[in-house]
Amino acid sequence: DAGVTQSPTHLIKTRGQQVTLRCSPKSGHDTVSWYQQALGQGPQFIFQYYEEEERQRGNFPDRFSGHQFPNYSSELNVNALLLGDSALYLCASSLSGISTDTQYFGPGTRLTVL
Amino acid sequence: AQSVTQLDSHVSVSEGTPVLLRCNYSSSYSPSLFWYVQHPNKGLQLLLKYTSAATLVKGINGFEAEFKKSETSFHLTKPSAHMSDAAEYFCVVIRGSYIPTFGRGTSLIVHP
Repeated sequence: DAGVTQSPTHLIKTRGQQVTLRCSPKSGHDTVSWYQQALGQGPQFIFQYYEEEERQRGNFPDRFSGHQFPNYSSELNVNALLLGDSALYLCASSLSGISTDTQYFGPGTRLTVL
Repeated sequence: AQSVTQLDSHVSVSEGTPVLLRCNYSSSYSPSLFWYVQHPNKGLQLLLKYTSAATLVKGINGFEAEFKKSETSFHLTKPSAHMSDAAEYFCVVIRGSYIPTFGRGTSLIVHP
């Protein structure tokens, strides 16, 4: 059984560009959450998708947007990239999106903005 | 508002000695609390969680944590450290609707 997978593993972009990161949840999971982890920091919650809709959102600007597909996979889009967007982006899936559900994390996508 | 403070950025122990990773939280309501571990180049893995049941929570790999409401603490312990325990540990608080707040992490170093 494959766990949470993310692609790509690494990405280099320049300021002002746009980027799309992808996530496939663990088999049987219908809820996907995205996190940003800056170097030396804990992950920060970006948003959560359930039934193809954004259900919760953390304190991130509208440049960060997402999408969930009918097969529960998800994309994170970041527009107008800033140097400060350089981070590890983590995807996590869970069974139903209840706050106490165990989340299963992918290995992350390392984004570098030059 | 909710927040979580991990009191030590680094903890260094010898193999076979006890581990204590400290976490304090602030939350207006009864929180759910979690500990996650992050090994290099691997995804975060849940160690244990507290969700208003027993205050002493047992997790994987011999770890446990005790919820102390009076002290607003949720410290992680293990009786005997193993080399494979070396990793980054995160304390997480969730209150009400789903907005998890992670601590800044504690790096556990285990010496042979």
